[in-house]
This record gives sequence, C-alpha cells and structure tokens, in this order.
Amino acid sequence: NAGVTQTPKFQVLKTGQSMTLQCAQDMNHEYMSWYRQDPGMGLRLIHYSVGAGITDQGEVPNGYNVSRSTTEDFPLRLLSAAPSQTSVYFCASRGIGVATNEKLLFGSGTQLSVL
Amino acid sequence: AQSVSQHNHHVILSEAASLELGCNYSYGGTVNLFWYVQYPGQHLQLLLKYFSGDPLVKGIKGFEAEFIKSKFSFNLRKPSVQWSDTAEYFCAVKAGTASKLTFGTGTRLQVTL
Repeated sequence: NAGVTQTPKFQVLKTGQSMTLQCAQDMNHEYMSWYRQDPGMGLRLIHYSVGAGITDQGEVPNGYNVSRSTTEDFPLRLLSAAPSQTSVYFCASRGIGVATNEKLLFGSGTQLSVL
Repeated sequence: AQSVSQHNHHVILSEAASLELGCNYSYGGTVNLFWYVQYPGQHLQLLLKYFSGDPLVKGIKGFEAEFIKSKFSFNLRKPSVQWSDTAEYFCAVKAGTASKLTFGTGTRLQVTL
C-alpha cells in the first residue's frame, strides 16, 4: 500500500514547455485533487475529481488541464509553462462517504521551477 | 463559496507556552472542519477534524480545536507547545455536500527553546 505517489519530485522547465505531473493512488479513492502551495497563499485548489471520467475546476485552474481515465491516476498537465506556475504541487486523495472519515491524504509534492 | 481565514501568519512562542491559532470560515450551512500540519520538508498531515457532535475535538500530539458555530470559528489550541511543534498549520473547510476542501493561507509556528 503505497498511498499517494507523485512524480517527479523536482522539475525545471523553460517558459513555454509542456509537462505532466503524475499522481497515483492505490487506495481506491474516488476523490483526487491537485493543489499548489505558494508562500503566504497557503494551498490553492487547481482541479479535482470525484471519480473516473469526472473532473472539475478549483480556485486556480487556468493554465492546467486534468483527466481522470482511471480511479488510480490523476495527471496534471501544464500545456505551456509560465514563470507564474513556479510552485510546489501536491496531489491529494480520499474516499467519499462517512465511513472513510474523509481524511485527505497528500503526496510528497513536486517542486516545479519555470525559468 | 466557502472560504477560510487564518489571521495569524507567523507566531513565535517559547517552549511550554500555550498556543491558540485562529481560523474563521465563511459558509452558512453544514461544514466539516480540519486542521492540517506541515512539518519542515514534509507534506501535509491531518491533525484533527470536526464533522458533528461534541464541538471540542481532540487530535494527535495534544492538540485540540473548538468549533463555535455562532462565530464561524474553529481555533486550534495546545496548552504547552514543544520545539517539535515548529511547523506550518492549515485550517480547511468542506462545505455541505461539496467534495472539495478549501484551505486557509496557513500559520507558521516557530517554537524556541
């Protein structure tokens, strides 16, 4: 049981490049989400999903795309990276429903720098 | 839309001092409330949560929080902090039947020896 796995841990991009941050969980969690963490701004929700084939926007979705083709995976795509997307990105998941206690479990984060 | 405010951005305490971190949320209906902690270099971990029932909830490592509905608050407390409590603390709210969790901006706690 690996929990929430994020790759890569570190990434440097040039402005305009594209890349995908990977997130996978092996707990059969319905809910998955992506946050970015910036100093003084806390965690801001980018996109989230409540199940395979279902995604929705969070507070700061612009510049990011997601898809949820399987329950396990929830990749975050940057189509054309900008310096404003320099941040630490966290993936988090949880089960849905009272029985799961709705505890959000976080991955270890991806530190992204866009030059 | 739900939102969370944490007014203390940086708190410095000596070991054994008492701690209270403020958290206020804006949402008129039923809420689930959480406190998460992020130790240096680590990812977020759940400290405690409130779903219903007793408004005073106890979490790990001696932390507790009190839900005061009339004040839309969920303040975090600890009677006596330790150096190992140095971390960033985030309050979060899930509103009603919504799926998403909204975080506050965080409070950085520094405990000195």
